[in-house]
Amino acid sequence: SAVISQKPSRDICQRGTSLTIQCQVDSQVTMMFWYRQQPGQSLTLIATANQGSEATYESGFVIDKFPISRPNLTFSTLTVSNMSPEDSSIYLCSAWDREETQYFGPGTRLLVL
Amino acid sequence: QKEVEQNSGPLSVPEGAIASLNCTYSDRGSQSFFWYRQYSGKSPELIMSIYSNGDKEDGRFTAQLNKASQYVSLLIRDSQPSDSATYLCAVNTEGTYKYIFGTGTRLKVLA
Repeated sequence: SAVISQKPSRDICQRGTSLTIQCQVDSQVTMMFWYRQQPGQSLTLIATANQGSEATYESGFVIDKFPISRPNLTFSTLTVSNMSPEDSSIYLCSAWDREETQYFGPGTRLLVL
Repeated sequence: QKEVEQNSGPLSVPEGAIASLNCTYSDRGSQSFFWYRQYSGKSPELIMSIYSNGDKEDGRFTAQLNKASQYVSLLIRDSQPSDSATYLCAVNTEGTYKYIFGTGTRLKVLA
C-alpha cells in the first residue's frame, strides 16, 4: 500500500485568490492523481500528475485553473487558481502502489467565500 | 462514455444482517474492480479488490464478480453500526490508468 499525506487539511479562502495543496507519498510511485469530490458526489478525476512533465488533464479541467507540479516520484502539488465559490470542494491526492492499486490521501477541504 | 452505476441508497440493514451492495459497469474491457469505503468527511479507503470471476472473501467482506453480466457486488456479513458509510465501486480497464468511480451507495446499519 501507499501512505499519503496532504496539507493543508482544510482552508477557507477568499474569492479571487489561489491555494496550493501539497501531496506527499511515503514511497516512490509511478502514478499520482488529483481528484475533486463535491458535496454528496463521487470522485471526479482532475488530472494525472506526471513526473518531470506537464500533467494530463481530464475534460473540463485546464492547466491555467489547476496547475500541477510533480518534481519527483513522491511529491506533487495542485494549485486552485483565481478561486470562486464553485471551487468549494474536497480535493484528493491519490497514488498507485506497486500493484497498481489506488490509495487516497486524507483530502483537503476547501471553502471559498 | 464508460459508466459505473450504483444505487445511491440509503440501504438500511439491521445490525448482524448481511448487507448487499451492487454495481454495474458498461465497459466490457474492464479488468480490475475495487470497493472503497468512505466515512462522512473522510477520504475513500480500499477494502476489496477483485480481478476474476467468482467470489473473493476477506473477513466479513465478500466481493463477487460476474464479467458476463457486467456486475460486481459486495456482501458484508454480520453488519455493524461501524460499517455505516458510503461504498464506492471503482473499475479500471487494463492498460489505462483511470479508475471510473460510481456515485456510491450509502449504507446505514441500524443498532
